[in-house]
Parts: sequence; C-alpha cells; structure tokens
Amino acid sequence: AQSVAQPEDQVNVAEGNPLTVKCTYSVSGNPYLFWYVQYPNRGLQFLLKYITGDNLVKGSYGFEAEFNKSQTSFHLKKPSALVSDSALYFCAVRINTGGFKTIFGAGTRLFVKA
Amino acid sequence: ETGVTQTPRHLVMGMTNKKSLKCEQHLGHNAMYWYKQSAKKPLELMFVYSLEERVENNSVPSRFSPECPNSSHLFLHLHTLQPEDSALYLCASSQIRTGNTIYFGEGSWLTVV
Repeated sequence: AQSVAQPEDQVNVAEGNPLTVKCTYSVSGNPYLFWYVQYPNRGLQFLLKYITGDNLVKGSYGFEAEFNKSQTSFHLKKPSALVSDSALYFCAVRINTGGFKTIFGAGTRLFVKA
Repeated sequence: ETGVTQTPRHLVMGMTNKKSLKCEQHLGHNAMYWYKQSAKKPLELMFVYSLEERVENNSVPSRFSPECPNSSHLFLHLHTLQPEDSALYLCASSQIRTGNTIYFGEGSWLTVV
C-alpha cells in the first residue's frame, strides 16, 4: 500500500541547534514529495517539494529536505532552529490511484526552546 | 496571506442546523479539495473536484454535501451533523498536473453542539 510515515509525534530542539523532522514513504513509481507547516489556528503552508533532480531541496524559511531513494526517506532539516519554527510539520506524497492524490503523514510537532 | 480564502473561520452549529462552508481560490487553479483535520488523526481527504466535476469522494457521510459551481468556488453544505464532526475543515486548490503543489486556506473551525 502506498503511504507516508512520520515516526516522531514530537521533536524538541534548542534554539540555534540543527533540527531534523523525519519522513519515510512507500509509493510505486517515482515519488513526488512535499513538506508543509501548520502554525496554531492556521491552515497548512507549503514549504518545499521534490519532483526530480538534485536530492537536496531548499524551501521557505531556511528549511531544506534531502531525498534518499535507497532509504525511501525525505527528512526535513534546518541548520539553526528558531523559536518561531515551533509548529506542526506534515510530510506528503503524491500517489497515482488512477487519478492523482496527495496523502499526508500524521504530522510531527516541533518545539524549539529558547 | 493566502490565495485560498475560507469563510466562516469559526462556526458553531446544533445537530439539527443546516449551514455551509465557503471556499474561494484566487490562484487560477482547476482542482479544489476539502480536507478534515481532527485532533490526533491524520489529515483526511473528503472531496476532490477537478474541472468542476467531483472525481473523488472518500466514503464521506451524506450529511456532508459538496458543491463546486465554478473553478474558483467550493462549498461544503452541512446538515444534521454529529458532535464527532467537530473539526477543522480545510479547503485547498491546485493545478491538475502530477507533482503540482496543493495550497490551503486558513480553515474553518466547526463545533457541533
């Protein structure tokens, strides 16, 4: 079955430290992968996506993600976390079910402590 | 600021009421979506409209009725809801093409009492 998983419900990191939010996927064919962020009482905002090309994708607010085909992963990273990065992060994958459908992981809550 | 606008942002309704959620996209997209976000549950795709035709309905109860009068507008009509339907309802839009990004509205918080 095609799916996307975020193995951590919550990630805690100190401000200024690097952060990683993990995502793994299972799809048939070439994956189209996305990261979104949701701040409290807001909708989801697009951060970045991988379609093809360079495995390291750069996105909004200094975030980047690395596509790893052998490990079927697409982890979100940032070299230096900010308190304002605290939010809920969703990994998503576009799957082909006859039409195209985007499925989302369960989300990972990121807490950045000052 | 978002190119997808949802109204109302907050709605409280009784179980016998009829209400509607409205969504408008200003991005020139040709596909629109309704998602449901409940606490501690994954985001659930409810309906997909492509070129104003419904192409997907993920076994959503009939008390939720979508309407897409044109490519820019999407409604979710609500009738005789249950308390467990209380959630954040997110509208989204995209271009119909593989790999295209879905853009979300700010959501409508629904509470059923």
